[in-house]
Amino acid sequence: GAGVSQTPSNKVTEKGKYVELRCDPISGHTALYWYRQSLGQGPEFLIYFQGTGAADDSGLPNDRFFAVRPEGSVSTLKIQRTERGDSAVYLCASSSQGKVADTQYFGPGTRLTVL
Amino acid sequence: AQSVTQLDSQVPVFEEAPVELRCNYSSSVSVYLFWYVQYPNQGLQLLLKYLSGSTLVESINGFEAEFNKSQTSFHLRKPSVHISDTAEYFCAVSPVGGGYQKVTFGTGTKLQVIP
Repeated sequence: GAGVSQTPSNKVTEKGKYVELRCDPISGHTALYWYRQSLGQGPEFLIYFQGTGAADDSGLPNDRFFAVRPEGSVSTLKIQRTERGDSAVYLCASSSQGKVADTQYFGPGTRLTVL
Repeated sequence: AQSVTQLDSQVPVFEEAPVELRCNYSSSVSVYLFWYVQYPNQGLQLLLKYLSGSTLVESINGFEAEFNKSQTSFHLRKPSVHISDTAEYFCAVSPVGGGYQKVTFGTGTKLQVIP
């Protein structure tokens, strides 16, 4: 079946602009995670959704970052007033129920470049 | 909070030689442990995990890792590597009892298998 997909694969924007990154999880997966991977680093947790609600958004770096999942499936990560330091690969993952034993399935990521 | 240390950023090894990728973690609570792999031009995928029970866990492609609580380590080993094992490997932990996987990743080790 289809895996986790993310669009766009690459996004180049200018400092100060607004961007949206989309994640389509595996069908039926209730848990969805966003991570950010900066160059030379491992993925860093941003936010976890269980269904439509953000169960843990403690990893969002500041209030310029926001994520939604209105129907419990597709999620959008929104970044306002982008800064050069936001440049990274943004990863999305989903799992069937979000339990600790569940495997997280990762998408290919969106590479964001802020000029 | 948890942290994961992968001291080796790159490990070159000849084909059919053994390899060990080191991982140490720090946590004030018990953790579950994971190894993820990212093959060139592919997304992150789970290689193996330790949740409970036997401290030695194995993957389907010949890798194994052993949880050592006293040394807070979870080193990844393979007795004979193949060219196809060339990839970046990430060690990760998630706190026990959190109700969901809140994963903290290490910075990754690039395994380069030399023909």
